[in-house]
Amino acid sequence: RKEVEQDPGPFNVPEGATVAFNCTYSNSASQSFFWYRQDCRKEPKLLMSVYSSGNEDGRFTAQLNRASQYISLLIRDSKLSDSATYLCVVNNQAGTALIFGKGTTLSVSS
Amino acid sequence: DVKVTQSSRYLVKRTGEKVFLECVQDMDHENMFWYRQDPGLGLRLIYFSYDVKMKEKGDIPEGYSVSREKKERFSLILESASTNQTSMYLCASNSVGVEQYFGPGTRLTVT
Repeated sequence: RKEVEQDPGPFNVPEGATVAFNCTYSNSASQSFFWYRQDCRKEPKLLMSVYSSGNEDGRFTAQLNRASQYISLLIRDSKLSDSATYLCVVNNQAGTALIFGKGTTLSVSS
Repeated sequence: DVKVTQSSRYLVKRTGEKVFLECVQDMDHENMFWYRQDPGLGLRLIYFSYDVKMKEKGDIPEGYSVSREKKERFSLILESASTNQTSMYLCASNSVGVEQYFGPGTRLTVT
């Protein structure tokens, strides 16, 4: 099992749609979880941290299921500006570095 | 605002040249990282450092070395550049357990 796995997509959705991304991770001892966003030809930037109880930031909701070792990101009311690659991130076994998934590409069209 | 800067946005080098990529962060972060990013392969960790003069190999250290003489600066060295090292190189930094901040990246082409 790869350390962090994501469906690469692309996900092509119309404006206003709700879209969900899932991610699985292999290290049951992981303690830190994040979603990063990367625009074309730009560096990755933190979108949101993921907490055990789940958390929401505006139109974005992140959930963590430790038992199944998966993380999800829900985007409601998609905007054109949400078009990007979304990276699922967990810390490594030693807790010294972050492991990035390969990313899921989202394209929102009008 | 956290700032991670990289010495060049674009770099073209010839096969066999020694290449230095510099990264500087201004937030007194303990940890610094070098990644390369290639289409279909995602971000892959080359080396990281958790303190001055300390370094740890990442997933793909072959063909690279690093140097961290000062806390704010982390250099990636390609001893003898090869065409398969053509890539986007991203530097990042953080304090333990918190988000990583990335530099803008250096697109290196080796011809």
